[in-house]
Amino acid sequence: QTVVTQEPSFSVSPGGTVTLTCGLSSGSVSANYYPSWYQQTPGQAPRTLIYSTNTRSSGVPDRFSGSILGNKAALTITGAQADDESHYYCVLYMGGGISWVFGGGTKLTVL
Amino acid sequence: EVQLLESGGGLVQPGGSLRLSCAVSGFTFSTYAMSWVRQAPGKGLEWVSVISDSGANTNYADSVKGRFTISRDNSKNTLSLQMNSLRAEDTAVYYCAKVLWRNRHFDYWGQGTLVTVSS
Repeated sequence: QTVVTQEPSFSVSPGGTVTLTCGLSSGSVSANYYPSWYQQTPGQAPRTLIYSTNTRSSGVPDRFSGSILGNKAALTITGAQADDESHYYCVLYMGGGISWVFGGGTKLTVL
Repeated sequence: EVQLLESGGGLVQPGGSLRLSCAVSGFTFSTYAMSWVRQAPGKGLEWVSVISDSGANTNYADSVKGRFTISRDNSKNTLSLQMNSLRAEDTAVYYCAKVLWRNRHFDYWGQGTLVTVSS
């Protein structure tokens, strides 16, 4: 069973930089998994931030960036703001019989 | 403006059935794959199902395979999810999402509809 791993929680100071990661329980994440990232605040629908590893969705501030770091996909927030306090989910495209698997999400606190 | 509006959620007993719908506007529905993603209360997102633009190809998460059926009516710009043999663990907010297939991601999301399976 494929498990996509994310840090359960992270904190960052206002103005600081934080990198959230998205890994696989077995193997390495590459661009072939089309990693994408979504932001969700309580009671709201997810918002698309990054797709295809590092492409920002329309309207997403450039303080959000995506990359592959080592064997994981990564979401970096540079100059964190208070309203970045949210849950962040990555998802990997697996193809074949199982199309997508989400990570468990990271709760980001800005304080 | 792209809009996705889910409906059909509600309270259903274990073993029961429910049909969700997602009405879309703002894009050419028949040229995009569509998906359902759910979120149990206080939990993370879980991909449920996908259907190709024509409706000819579908796929399901193992957790719902054999119980849920995704379908679409391109003449009515509507996506559906027929849910049978419902279990308590199917309780969740169900989101429909537009799929940008060339990048394998969900570019637009609806606001979700809550399904509660309980006796």
